[in-house]
Amino acid sequence: GDSVTQMEGPVTLSEEAFLTINCTYTATGYPSLFWYVQYPGEGLQLLLKATKADDKGSNKGFEATYRKETTSFHLEKGSVQVSDSAVYFCALSPNTGFQKLVFGTGTRLLVSP
Amino acid sequence: NAGVTQTPKFQVLKTGQSMTLQCAQDMNHEYMSWYRQDPGMGLRLIHYSVGAGITDQGEVPNGYNVSRSTTEDFPLRLLSAAPSQTSVYFCASSRNVDRFGEKLFFGSGTQLSVL
Repeated sequence: GDSVTQMEGPVTLSEEAFLTINCTYTATGYPSLFWYVQYPGEGLQLLLKATKADDKGSNKGFEATYRKETTSFHLEKGSVQVSDSAVYFCALSPNTGFQKLVFGTGTRLLVSP
Repeated sequence: NAGVTQTPKFQVLKTGQSMTLQCAQDMNHEYMSWYRQDPGMGLRLIHYSVGAGITDQGEVPNGYNVSRSTTEDFPLRLLSAAPSQTSVYFCASSRNVDRFGEKLFFGSGTQLSVL
């Protein structure tokens, strides 16, 4: 079945450091790919998405490119801030309805001043 | 605009007790769902609904019931709570069931402990 694999955390960085959180997926066909973020005490929010190969999703300085050849959707940010501390979830949708939406296990990011 | 509202935020139950987690959305969304979040396991779908009067099971439905009598509300019932149901529960909704790349709107969660 479809699956998403994320790097284990926590990822600990200093402010202004470069961030990469790896995400790879297994799916048939051409799924949509998402990054959701969960700030402490809150529900998940969509951070960015890409719906076809080679698309780049971007939001709030974060970027991720849909790479079908490597089945990856790595999240990057050039300069993290303390306010970016959160849990980041990679997810895929096979576009057959939300009942098939698959989440990764989440990666906690801790940014120190 | 309230979005997706979940109540309560925290709940402690004893084994065997029953309770209902409430979820309401004010965005006229067709799709509503319940997830549970457990450490190291990401989010897993419990039940979902594609409209009033229509519900179906997700990945982990055992021990939970749902109903959807209105577009706005989608309560989750625990019939006889077990310690394995200790988790954080999220309700999520979306505008369109099958739209390509549609996003989910999440509530802020209910932290449930079953002793």
